[in-house]
Amino acid sequence: QKEVEQDPGPLSVPEGAIVSLNCTYSNSAFQYFMWYRQYSRKGPELLMYTYSSGNKEDGRFTAQVDKSSKYISLFIRDSQPSDSATYLCAMSRRSNDYKLSFGAGTTVTVRA
Amino acid sequence: EAGVTQFPSHSVIEKGQTVTLRCDPISGHDNLYWYRRVMGKEIKFLLHFVKESKQDESGMPNNRFLAERTGGTYSTLKVQPAELEDSGVYFCASSQDKNSFTGELFFGEGSRLTVL
Repeated sequence: QKEVEQDPGPLSVPEGAIVSLNCTYSNSAFQYFMWYRQYSRKGPELLMYTYSSGNKEDGRFTAQVDKSSKYISLFIRDSQPSDSATYLCAMSRRSNDYKLSFGAGTTVTVRA
Repeated sequence: EAGVTQFPSHSVIEKGQTVTLRCDPISGHDNLYWYRRVMGKEIKFLLHFVKESKQDESGMPNNRFLAERTGGTYSTLKVQPAELEDSGVYFCASSQDKNSFTGELFFGEGSRLTVL
């Protein structure tokens, strides 16, 4: 069983739609949860980071963590064509531990 | 400020040959990481340097892979001899050594390796 499972996609949505991305994980030791965004032929870049359970909002992006269910989500509101990218969830066991465990990524296309 | 740079962007070699990938981290970043993504799989950790020391190399697949970071600046990852299953994208990333965790690794654009 993989440590981190991510909905494979791909997702294609019209501009303005809400995008919902999800990951589940098996290791309860994960404490830190991140979403990275990767544009084609580029490296991943950090989008959002949360610690333990709860919600975090940053502009059009909301990250949710439910540790009891070992489930994390990313929501993108009012999606734009510029949001078209691959979204990767990532997790870490300890603070300052950048040995991240990644999901396989979900490719999102927002149609104008 | 320059980001993480990697060279070459793409390398095509034959099975049994040697390839060396180079990474220049962001200036001042003591922590340097190598990750790899093989086709259809998730990005996986290979190893972590703190300055010139290997902090964690638990993700290195086998002894055909050798990573170095002489002087604590740039790093190289050598694959010798290359096998077909080594094909993939090799990412280098760096981070600052902060007291508080930010989750932020700065990734390069990756070096795509194709072994024929």
